[in-house]
Amino acid sequence: EAQVTQNPRYLITVTGKKLTVTCSQNMNHEYMSWYRQDPGLGLRQIYYSMNVEVTDKGDVPEGYKVSRKEKRNFPLILESPSPNQTSLYFCASSLTAGTTYEQYFGPGTRLTVT
Amino acid sequence: DQQVKQNSPSLSVQEGRISILNCDYTNSMFDYFLWYKKYPAEGPTFLISISSIKDKNEDGRFTVFLNKSAKHLSLHIVPSQPGDSAVYFCAARGGPNAGGTSYGKLTFGQGTILTVHP
Repeated sequence: EAQVTQNPRYLITVTGKKLTVTCSQNMNHEYMSWYRQDPGLGLRQIYYSMNVEVTDKGDVPEGYKVSRKEKRNFPLILESPSPNQTSLYFCASSLTAGTTYEQYFGPGTRLTVT
Repeated sequence: DQQVKQNSPSLSVQEGRISILNCDYTNSMFDYFLWYKKYPAEGPTFLISISSIKDKNEDGRFTVFLNKSAKHLSLHIVPSQPGDSAVYFCAARGGPNAGGTSYGKLTFGQGTILTVHP
């Protein structure tokens, strides 16, 4: 089954404790992206990756890091989480940047930072 | 600067009637417009899209209309069903002329909560 998976689905952590949210897709997609969803703001892009070893900032990259060492995986790293990073996070993928009108989303990770 | 706006946070309709969800945008470099549907505890799922060179696209009960002069698009659901109750996000895609990092990027609206009552 073609899918985007994220882990964990739910996470409660404390300020400053480094964490990683994993994202994996099994569709051989080149383009991957991370979003956060906040009330009244919709989905905002954090980082994206056009292909392996190619990543770039989205609209709200502060406080986040990503890496793309393999095509299928695109982890999101919070080196020192803060309460304003409490949010619902989605990973997404599409075949290429040219086909982002067919973007597949993961189920989401709800993160709470206290 | 919100380039894609959904000004109605919520919409309530009766089963069998028409649901109309609206979206406005400001950037003329968008080449595709999309609607995503999101249920609680799930990721957004693609619903329907329209190219900027079209003014209408239909898929079963769902029709999207694009008015480029007004920079406005709408999603019509006819007839509405209780299972359509969800959050609907409008999104716009940066086209080849958007340049640099904007090509392929999706910009989302704030979302509209649709409730269809039986």
